[in-house]
Amino acid sequence: GAGVSQTPSNKVTEKGKYVELRCDPISGHTALYWYRQSLGQGPEFLIYFQGTGAADDSGLPNDRFFAVRPEGSVSTLKIQRTERGDSAVYLCASSPLGLAGTRYTDTQYFGPGTRLTVL
Amino acid sequence: SQQGEEDPQALSIQEGENATMNCSYKTSINNLQWYRQNSGRGLVHLILIRSNEREKHSGRLRVTLDTSKKSSSLLITASRAADTASYFCATDVGGYNKLIFGAGTRLAVHP
Repeated sequence: GAGVSQTPSNKVTEKGKYVELRCDPISGHTALYWYRQSLGQGPEFLIYFQGTGAADDSGLPNDRFFAVRPEGSVSTLKIQRTERGDSAVYLCASSPLGLAGTRYTDTQYFGPGTRLTVL
Repeated sequence: SQQGEEDPQALSIQEGENATMNCSYKTSINNLQWYRQNSGRGLVHLILIRSNEREKHSGRLRVTLDTSKKSSSLLITASRAADTASYFCATDVGGYNKLIFGAGTRLAVHP
């Protein structure tokens, strides 16, 4: 596709349920990032993948949150036992480069986000 | 926690006027980036300025960076109604594009 896509665009769930959010990055982009944005705030870093591995997961708020990228392209953010405080827009971004240990950086291309509402 | 703070939080101007937004940050950075967001959804990258640069231009956008003051400014000249959006600064501190965003400036440009 031409850009980063995220599905679903909206997700409403009940407290305690399990949800999966999907991100399809731009083809060929090795770096993938997840952010969470609460109302009126800027995006907050969650996790960064370089290829298949999570190079930095320091932003995941607790062990209810987990993300995978098994083949180095599509990524899934998984949230167990959802809480009302998890309600936010979850943004995914990809970048052609972003190698840990180097000083090279590049533009991140963001998807439209998934708006998660936990009732 | 968020690294950057934008100032002002909200800005309302008339078409044709210039809009200036400021960003301050706390730690050393590799680069600073500005993004625009419409209607609370996808972010659009506007401009990146590296830590060894002081000023950068892109169309009607001008960004400055003062690493001694840990601050940056974004100037939008000759604003248009279509510039109405939230603008965020984001700093890359880790060297691999892990971005730390500020809370943003909400810009409203009135026709």
